Amino acid sequence: EVQVVESGGGLEQPGRSLRLSCEVSGFNFEDYGMHWVRQAPGKGLEWVSGIDYNSRSIGYADSVKGRFTISRDNARNFLYLQMNSLRPEDTAVYYCAKDMNHWLSSFDFRGQGTLVTVSS
Amino acid sequence: DIQMTQSPSSLSASVGDRVTITCRASQGIRNDLGWYQQKSGKAPKRLIYAASNLQSGVPSRFSGSGSGTEFSLTISGLQPEDSATYYCLQHNSYPFTFGPGTRVDIK
Repeated sequence: EVQVVESGGGLEQPGRSLRLSCEVSGFNFEDYGMHWVRQAPGKGLEWVSGIDYNSRSIGYADSVKGRFTISRDNARNFLYLQMNSLRPEDTAVYYCAKDMNHWLSSFDFRGQGTLVTVSS
Repeated sequence: DIQMTQSPSSLSASVGDRVTITCRASQGIRNDLGWYQQKSGKAPKRLIYAASNLQSGVPSRFSGSGSGTEFSLTISGLQPEDSATYYCLQHNSYPFTFGPGTRVDIK
């Protein structure tokens, strides 16, 4: 069974950094693209970033480009999101999602997300 | 960037009704579109991929159609458990983008 556990969220001040982690199990992690998606309180879904199976193709939302960095460790089955220069508008639940292919395409959610709150 | 719009933004329908939600892309995206259902307080769940393919385990009353710039999600025979917000997602080009969502309530 595919399992995804997001962690690393919490309260952080504007301008500071956080690193989110996503530990996966139940499938060959190295064979699939992965994504981060967020949802601000009371708002819709926003795709944040995606990384293909071998980290050669990476994409970012305009709102996080230059501040967030996605990465993966295929040996340890971990996906990461390094979030720098945090802003209050980055406050959201962050979900890790598994692609159905090794390139970036359609994906599905398996975890419950981790809450990031950016506030002074 | 590709912009996604959805209509209506919300609807209220009765059990057994046929409901259709439309999603439009600002440029052609072939069939690189998925539909997601999100119930209150829960993570989203994919219903449809590649515009018209039903995700395994999803009831057959859900169906998707369309290609290019116009897509639709239809629920044939609305059930109480279908009360949720529905989102479309384009994965044709970066950045991937979601529609703003359609809230479906049961009368």
